[in-house]
Amino acid sequence: GAVVSQHPSRVICKSGTSVKIECRSLDFQATTMFWYRQFPKKSLMLMATSNEGSKATYEQGVEKDKFLINHASLTLSTLTVTSAHPEDSSFYICSAIRRGIGYTFGSGTRLTVV
Amino acid sequence: AQRVTQPEKLLSVFKGAPVELKCNYSYSGSPELFWYVQYSRQRLQLLLRHISRESIKGFTADLNKGETSFHLKKPFAQEEDSAMYYCALKDSGNTPLVFGKGTRLSVIA
Repeated sequence: GAVVSQHPSRVICKSGTSVKIECRSLDFQATTMFWYRQFPKKSLMLMATSNEGSKATYEQGVEKDKFLINHASLTLSTLTVTSAHPEDSSFYICSAIRRGIGYTFGSGTRLTVV
Repeated sequence: AQRVTQPEKLLSVFKGAPVELKCNYSYSGSPELFWYVQYSRQRLQLLLRHISRESIKGFTADLNKGETSFHLKKPFAQEEDSAMYYCALKDSGNTPLVFGKGTRLSVIA
């Protein structure tokens, strides 16, 4: 149990376009999800905390207008990278908490902006 | 501020040798400490957490509050242990994990 599905696993987009990444909890309800960004050979950097039915809480330095997070249901949080630029190319990972089990992670999305 | 430090980016050991992956943390309260593992092309998986005090795949980690450390140890490394290992901490409640930069363990046959 406690599976988190992240989609797509890879995406290539043109500079200036927007990309949506989905994170779904498949067998449990997740009131809280987290979005991380992982740079090559570096750690996971927390971008924001996504709360179902309310606005996301962004970490310092993360542009909320650029990285739009929506958590409209108990099983789905989305991260939309708006007006993407090459410097947004990265590996994005979502995580959810399941009571009694703890944190579970999606398989990540490799975004390449060309 | 919460911080997790993993001083080694890469650790190479021979099969059968002991392994110790270092993790130090800074936190003013009583954090929960975790070790996560990421095998090649797979998602992050929980390896162990300090409150459960269990041994998973032969790995153990003891929380040393005096030294603010949570080092991961295994007496005899196996080739299948080769992976990225992340130390992480969290505050109480539904708060996010704070990760160290990770250590890549390479076990040489």
